[in-house]
This record gives sequence, C-alpha cells and structure tokens, in this order.
Amino acid sequence: DQQVKQNSPSLSVQEGRISILNCDYTNSMFDYFLWYKKYPAEGPTFLISISSIKDKNEDGRFTVFLNKSAKHLSLHIVPSQPGDSAVYFCAASKSSGNTGKLIFGQGTTLQVKP
Amino acid sequence: NAGVMQNPRHLVRRRGQEARLRCSPMKGHSHVYWYRQLPEEGLKFMVYLQKENIIDESGMPKERFSAEFPKEGPSILRIQQVVRGDSAAYFCASSRGLSSYEQYFGPGTRLTVT
Repeated sequence: DQQVKQNSPSLSVQEGRISILNCDYTNSMFDYFLWYKKYPAEGPTFLISISSIKDKNEDGRFTVFLNKSAKHLSLHIVPSQPGDSAVYFCAASKSSGNTGKLIFGQGTTLQVKP
Repeated sequence: NAGVMQNPRHLVRRRGQEARLRCSPMKGHSHVYWYRQLPEEGLKFMVYLQKENIIDESGMPKERFSAEFPKEGPSILRIQQVVRGDSAAYFCASSRGLSSYEQYFGPGTRLTVT
C-alpha cells in the first residue's frame, strides 16, 4: 500500500524556470510533510517541511504548498539551477503514536538544463 | 564533522554471511532511524530506536534482521545469513526527538550480496 505517491518519475526544466514537483498521500492522519533532495551515492538532504496547520511554507527559492482537502503537496523551485538536478523525495509523518517514522514517495528525478 | 556517520560505505558479503552496519547520530541527537532503499524505489522505514530501546520495528523483516542502539557507541543494524534480496542501500537518520520531525540522514551503506 503506497501511502505517499510521486506519480512523475522524472521532470526536465530549463535553467531559470520554475520546477514543480508533486506528491499525493492517502492517509489523512499524516500531519507533517517534508521534502528531501538526494544526489547519487549520498544520503537524502532535508530541504523544507510543512505542518498540516499551514498551507504554504517558503525558504529561499523553495516553497512547499499543502492542499489538505486534495491530500496533495507540491514543491516549487524558483528559479531552477543546474545544481538542483537530483532526485526529490516527499515524505510524510504523523504526530500521533510514539514514532516519528517517515513514509517516503518513490522520488522524482529533476533535471535542470543549462 | 557533526553529521550522521555511517560505516562502512560499501559492504560486500557472500550469501549466508553476516552484515553489520554502523551508524553514529549527529551530536545532540538521541533518536535513530534505519531505512532501506531498494533499486528504483523510495526509502522504506525499518526501525526506530532510542538509547537502549527499540521503539518501533514495524518495518523490520521478521527474521534475520536486528537492530540495537546501546548506551555507548553507534547504532548497529545486523543482517544474518544474507541473501541476494538484501542487496540495497541502508540509510541511518537521526533527530533530536519526537517533537523534531526533521531527520538528518547519513551517506548510507551500500550492501551487495554475491
């Protein structure tokens, strides 16, 4: 049961343009969402997060939007840079219970062309 | 370097041997998570530990896999009698506590079973 889905395996964007990465989830108990970036042969790097009490969080070139009714979140990167080329994972967590485990999507490979 | 440390980075084992993967969390972090990434897939939660306690092992295979986080020293993920299907990247993450959802990942250990 894939509770967090990233339906686009890959995305190609021109440098300077906006990159939009999408993520859907099925479990309404999730109340915290994170985006990670991963280069080959490295561990995931935390990028940005959002709590379910918000619908938007911004950090520099990165903005995450959350639509709870649609169970959908997106990561916007503006402007995109070649160094942003990597695999992006969204992850979800729920504050109930005594575990902070993250449930990851399958990832979207972003290529930013110079 | 105050980041999450994992060793070895690469590990090759023959079928039937044991694999031991080590993880030292970030300074000040007392919560450790292990995740596994199979080829072409996202990260899957395995186990969540605090010092001397296993809090959530719902993602651990029932047999051959065990994990510990002793009072002193790194967290260990142990795989007995490895099989080819155990070949994967194993990532460790740490966090300050349950109130901090951001988990910081190590570089991973790539296990190859021949």
